[in-house]
Amino acid sequence: QVQLQESGPGLVKPSETLSLTCTVSGGSFSSFYWSWIRQPPGKGLEWIGYIYYNGNTNYNASLTGRVTMSVDTSKNQFSLSLRSVTAADTAVYYCARGGSRVLTAGSFDYWGQGTLVTVSS
Amino acid sequence: DIQLTQSPSFLSASVGDRVTITCRASQGISSYLVWYQQKPGKAPKLLIYAASTLQSGVPSRFSGSGSGTEFTLTISSLQPEDFATYYCQLLSSYPPITFGQGTRLEIK
Repeated sequence: QVQLQESGPGLVKPSETLSLTCTVSGGSFSSFYWSWIRQPPGKGLEWIGYIYYNGNTNYNASLTGRVTMSVDTSKNQFSLSLRSVTAADTAVYYCARGGSRVLTAGSFDYWGQGTLVTVSS
Repeated sequence: DIQLTQSPSFLSASVGDRVTITCRASQGISSYLVWYQQKPGKAPKLLIYAASTLQSGVPSRFSGSGSGTEFTLTISSLQPEDFATYYCQLLSSYPPITFGQGTRLEIK
């Protein structure tokens, strides 16, 4: 059974960088697209971006310039960095597995439990 | 960017009811649509992909249809565990991957 687990600080100061890691277990890491998705409290879902196991990335244009994703296949991990955060970046952050083809990259069949990140001084 | 608009935003129904949720795209997206179910405090769960294909393990009372700009998610006979929020989502390869605003389904 594929499992994803987010890890990282739950509190980040304004203007600093939010950093999260997702560790994947129980299945293949290679050949899949891996995404970050967030959900502000009481609101809807927003896709942040995805990274392919080979390191290719695609980010939501609304966040381009602040987002960087990376992958470590030796540890079955992928990571998110979001720079210059504000209170608007407060959200539950989920990592999720997409399909194995770019056409199915957004079909998220496995999700982490989510981690709340609060931006506050 | 392509926008997805769900209707209704809120739906009140009873156990055993048949309910339909609609998702409209601002331009044609073929069958590149996915449906999720989300319960409070939980991650979304994939229900249907490619507009009408049921994800493995999802009960057959869930079904999806549509193509182009109009899509529907139907629950044929509501069960207590179905009360949740439902999201449609634009599937790649039309980045950005976009979600509808959600439909909250509550017990009448």
